[in-house]
Amino acid sequence: QKEVEQNSGPLSVPEGAIASLNCTYSDRGSQSFFWYRQYSGKSPELIMFIYSNGDKEDGRFTAQLNKASQYVSLLIRDSQPSDSATYLCAVIYGNNRLAFGKGNQVVVIP
Amino acid sequence: DAGITQSPRHKVTETGTPVTLRCHQTENHRYMYWYRQDPGHGLRLIHYSYGVKDTDKGEVSDGYSVSRSKTEDFLLTLESATSSQTSVYFCAIQGQSFGANYGYTFGSGTRLTVV
Repeated sequence: QKEVEQNSGPLSVPEGAIASLNCTYSDRGSQSFFWYRQYSGKSPELIMFIYSNGDKEDGRFTAQLNKASQYVSLLIRDSQPSDSATYLCAVIYGNNRLAFGKGNQVVVIP
Repeated sequence: DAGITQSPRHKVTETGTPVTLRCHQTENHRYMYWYRQDPGHGLRLIHYSYGVKDTDKGEVSDGYSVSRSKTEDFLLTLESATSSQTSVYFCAIQGQSFGANYGYTFGSGTRLTVV
């Protein structure tokens, strides 16, 4: 089993601020990384994927990947109350399986 | 979006009874997965399939079996349900063209309670 760690506790951010989430992974050979958003009582929804070192931006979301340090992060700019959810980091390993972190809850305060 | 449905959405069953959960997809995807999600544990892979009759175990497969006799259906069976199997179960699919920009697409989940 590949390890994916999301260690920070619930994150409260004021509306309009930047939310920053971090994730580390154990398999140095991993090539593909994903961020999912999950609202309470709903299924996970893919919001970002990244394969290459560096930053990838999509709207208010930016994913950052550093393979040498084995971490991937997610920034949410101009946070909105609708961003309040749990964010799951996921990493691909053998035979197209995804290993997930336990998630970080984000609460955006109006 | 890929069509993926899970049934039932909710189920309450008694300890010791067999239970089958169904995942149905309409997009002819090769890979299908069953996860369970529990507080404090996140999403954990139970079993997965990479084609008809091709299945393999995940990290928490004890007490579960699967079958895939058709591309569109992936069944998860709890052979003799226990209270520790009370959970939310998610099915997921992955397109054959993975490598471009696809992760998994999840079904809506089945909330199973074993009493």
